[in-house]
Order: sequence, then structure tokens, then C-alpha cells
Amino acid sequence: DAGVIQSPRHEVTEMGQEVTLRCKPISGHDYLFWYRQTMMRGLELLIYFNNNVPIDDSGMPEDRFSAKMPNASFSTLKIQPSEPRDSAVYFCASSSDKRTSGGGTYEQYFGPGTRLTVT
Amino acid sequence: AQSVSQHNHHVILSEAASLELGCNYSYGGTVNLFWYVQYPGQHLQLLLKYFSGDPLVKGIKGFEAEFIKSKFSFNLRKPSVQWSDTAEYFCAVNKDFKTIFGAGTRLFVKA
Repeated sequence: DAGVIQSPRHEVTEMGQEVTLRCKPISGHDYLFWYRQTMMRGLELLIYFNNNVPIDDSGMPEDRFSAKMPNASFSTLKIQPSEPRDSAVYFCASSSDKRTSGGGTYEQYFGPGTRLTVT
Repeated sequence: AQSVSQHNHHVILSEAASLELGCNYSYGGTVNLFWYVQYPGQHLQLLLKYFSGDPLVKGIKGFEAEFIKSKFSFNLRKPSVQWSDTAEYFCAVNKDFKTIFGAGTRLFVKA
């Protein structure tokens, strides 16, 4: 498996523009997480899905942020309108509820991240 | 509030020094525990994990962690660090399907 795939890897946009970040989880994983990482606030969980259903979106900063997971292999995080304070690295991660031969569950596999700069 | 606390935000060591990074959590009951590492410019990767059994867990690259239930701790250790261990280290706790990450500890190893 190619691992978690995110696109774009880098995004530079102007304040007020719409930004859409994309994520393809590892095939067979039933949990998907969106995180934001900044120097000031560290790693923050924004929202997570289980079987394509949003379970907890309490970390979403405000109404400008929205996330969808239309199917098991694709999720988007949208910011509209974007603001300079949204500049961060956004990570997507996926995990499985199924026990593996190595034992244990809920290990998260992270994508390479999208570095967003809003000017 | 339930949380994951990492005691040190920044650690600077010389090569061959021993490392111990503290992690405490406030969740009761059964938890799953993890340490992740983020090398400069890269994404988080799993270093080691604990679910049950032997509380001393060995991970990749010579790292180990000890789960002490009575202290709600899961400290990360390495007997002799290398320059290539320079990275940020995150402790994480999974409880009821949700994983909470600590604030991270930045480790810088001087060559």
C-alpha cells in the first residue's frame, strides 16, 4: 500500500480564497483523522471519521472549516474563506479498528501533510 | 480535563548521552499508549506502542518505553542517542477510539 496520500503538498493562497485539502486513507482503514500543526499550538485534532461518518468535530476552529468523507477512500478539508492564521501544516491520518497480527489497534498512519500558507 | 502531558518541551543532549522523555496521562481504565516521532520536515511515524502484557515495550531504533500504571506514566528511553535522533517526539493515548497527543518534546542531539 502507498500509505496515506495527501494533496497538494504545498498550497499558497491569498486571504479570502477557498482552500481544499485532500486525503486518501490506507485501503481498509475505517478511521480517518484531520490534524493541524503549528509552532504555537502544536498538533491539534480537528475532526475524525469512522466508516465515513464524522464522529467528533469539536476541534474544528470555526464555521469556515468543513470536512467531508463521501466514501471510504477520500476525504476533504475545506477552508472558506481562508485567513493568514490558518497557515499551518495539515495532516491526515488513518487507522483500523481491526486487530492485526502484530497485536493492538488504533495505531495511526500519517500522510506527508499539506503545508498551507495564507498571505 | 483529561490530558496527555509531556514534561519537557525542549531537550538538548550530546551524542551517546542517555535519554528519558516523560509522559503522563490522566485517563482512567484501559488505554492504549504510543510514542510517535517526527523528523525535521517529515510526518509523524510510530516509534512504539503498548496495549497489554509486558509493560516494558521495545520499539524501533533502540527506543523503549515503560508503562507504569500506578503513575499513569509511559516514559520513553534510549540508552545512547545519536545525532540522527534529532526530532520531535509525541506521546499519545488512545481511549474510547480517540487518540490524544501530547504537546511534543523537541530533541536536539549535538554531534
